[in-house]
Amino acid sequence: AQTVTQSQPEMSVQEAETVTLSCTYDTSESDYYLFWYKQPPSRQMILVIRQEAYKQQNATENRFSVNFQKAAKSFSLKISDSQLGDAAMYFCAYRSRAQGGSEKLVFGKGTKLTVNP
Amino acid sequence: DAGVIQSPRHEVTEMGQEVTLRCKPISGHNSLFWYRQTMMRGLELLIYFNNNVPIDDSGMPEDRFSAKMPNASFSTLKIQPSEPRDSAVYFCASSTPGRGNQPQHFGDGTRLSIL
Repeated sequence: AQTVTQSQPEMSVQEAETVTLSCTYDTSESDYYLFWYKQPPSRQMILVIRQEAYKQQNATENRFSVNFQKAAKSFSLKISDSQLGDAAMYFCAYRSRAQGGSEKLVFGKGTKLTVNP
Repeated sequence: DAGVIQSPRHEVTEMGQEVTLRCKPISGHNSLFWYRQTMMRGLELLIYFNNNVPIDDSGMPEDRFSAKMPNASFSTLKIQPSEPRDSAVYFCASSTPGRGNQPQHFGDGTRLSIL
């Protein structure tokens, strides 16, 4: 079974600074997807960024980028120029791409990010 | 475009009562997922459907929980009888099916409190 670990229960960053959230995962599969979701206090689950395991290039979405290290099974999220609206819980998630594999998302326990003005 | 619609947004009921949570997926999305979020266990899949057929129900905790998808635009998650330990936020999500990187789109969740 796949597992996702987020070792930082809480992180804080100054507005306009950069912060990196860590995520590691365990799987025996070679083909999968990784995602970061954001959950603000409003409770919505918002997709931030996604990465295909077969792609070596790290995904980027505006101020959000990932550092995907497949051999190390690591998938960290970097937020540049942090804004007050970035304050939220961030969840790392895994999904199989294997033929016949489950489409379910396996989530980490989350990291609560505080942005200080 | 309308997103995933869940109802009710909040539900407070007494132990032993039947609870029904409802979900309308995004039109054209053929995969539907029910997740539960608690402080202790985080976000966990309960069950998911492809084309209205249950594919993986390994996360359904026990026989008190049941889920149905009678058509492509509606699903229910029922708990009968409810217990205080069922208190959680229940999310419904939908996506287009297949092996692509299509993301799951989540509803706003139902916060369930069992007294």
